[in-house]
Amino acid sequence: RKEVEQDPGPFNVPEGATVAFNCTYSNSASQSFFWYRQDCRKEPKLLMSVYSSGNEDGRFTAQLNRASQYISLLIRDSKLSDSATYLCAVHQAGTALIFGKGTTLSVSS
Amino acid sequence: DTGVSQDPRHKITKRGQNVTFRCDPISEHNRLYWYRQTLGQGPEFLTYFQNEAQLEKSRLLSDRFSAERPKGSFSTLEIQRTEQGDSAMYLCASSPIQGQYFGPGTRLTVT
Repeated sequence: RKEVEQDPGPFNVPEGATVAFNCTYSNSASQSFFWYRQDCRKEPKLLMSVYSSGNEDGRFTAQLNRASQYISLLIRDSKLSDSATYLCAVHQAGTALIFGKGTTLSVSS
Repeated sequence: DTGVSQDPRHKITKRGQNVTFRCDPISEHNRLYWYRQTLGQGPEFLTYFQNEAQLEKSRLLSDRFSAERPKGSFSTLEIQRTEQGDSAMYLCASSPIQGQYFGPGTRLTVT
């Protein structure tokens, strides 16, 4: 079993749609959780940290479920500019981030 | 620009040659990381520095790879006797405490 798993997609949605991605992790000792956005042939950019209480940043909401070992990202009112690959990352004891393979989102007009 | 910078952005080399990449982290970040990313995969951890000390190395970091951060500021990643399987994007990231901020990467192609 992979340490961090994501549905690769692609998720094809129209503008204005709400879309949700899930990410599961295998190590229950994982301590910190993040969502990154990566555009084609560009570096990952930190989108959000994910907290147990859930957190929201504009149209983006991230949640953590420690009992079931998954994190989620919800995007409301999708824009064309949201088209990208979304990577979840898990920080275990130590320092390295463990990334999933990413979920591809394509928003069309 | 106060972000993480990497040089060169692209490198094409022949198999068997040595290559060296440079990373300049965000100045107030004392943690620096190297990752490798291939198509369709997430970044994979290679190694980590806190200041000038290399504290962690992945099993991916074979003996052909070496990284340094001599003064606790910029870092270099050297690959000796490159192989075609080394072709990838090499990403550097720096971190305050939480979250890591990536540079634009060096895309290596080994022919």
